[in-house]
Amino acid sequence: GAVVSQHPSRVICKSGTSVKIECRSLDFQATTMFWYRQFPKKSLMLMATSNEGSKATYEQGVEKDKFLINHASLTLSTLTVTSAHPEDSSFYICSAPRGPPLDEQFFGPGTRLTVL
Amino acid sequence: AQKITQTQPGMFVQEKEAVTLDCTYDTSDQSYGLFWYKQPSSGEMIFLIYQGSYDEQNATEGRYSLNFQKARKSANLVISASQLGDSAMYFCAMREGPDSNYQLIWGAGTKLIIKP
Repeated sequence: GAVVSQHPSRVICKSGTSVKIECRSLDFQATTMFWYRQFPKKSLMLMATSNEGSKATYEQGVEKDKFLINHASLTLSTLTVTSAHPEDSSFYICSAPRGPPLDEQFFGPGTRLTVL
Repeated sequence: AQKITQTQPGMFVQEKEAVTLDCTYDTSDQSYGLFWYKQPSSGEMIFLIYQGSYDEQNATEGRYSLNFQKARKSANLVISASQLGDSAMYFCAMREGPDSNYQLIWGAGTKLIIKP
């Protein structure tokens, strides 16, 4: 079946540093990928839609300059948390839909970010 | 207004019993899709089952079935013969319309705990 990988799975960094998270579709091409943020015991909150070859579409309230998204190829999207602060600590998950006829989204395993 | 409503924040069920997780949705689109995902403590999102709005039969996948009642706008997940490994968060999600670019709308989730 389709697989989406996400790297790293866990990262701890100091406040003020930038962290890059990679999301790859391993056996299919994804022109669209989604980035979510999830707080403990809460649902997924869509941050942005990553579009291959064009700018990402950010949800209301998500800072574009804070969360940089680059979808450079049909199999790779990256999320960079710039100048991370403790309030950015969260679980970040990417997903990639494999389009029709199978209308299904495949999720990466997630990245747990802890900013000290 | 909530587009996806999961009214059960938590449920305890005895092992081997069947369990129904509630999900109601709100959309004016004629074409939409409904999904259920399982999220164990590891964080990965596991696709369980999909129901298209035009599907006349209720979807089934092994021990999972989706009780789709279109007029009531409900899409409850039924797990038969529950197992300890079913303990997890369960999310109901909806894709609206054919042109939604696969974006999903998520419910708040239900935490299911299976008791031995």
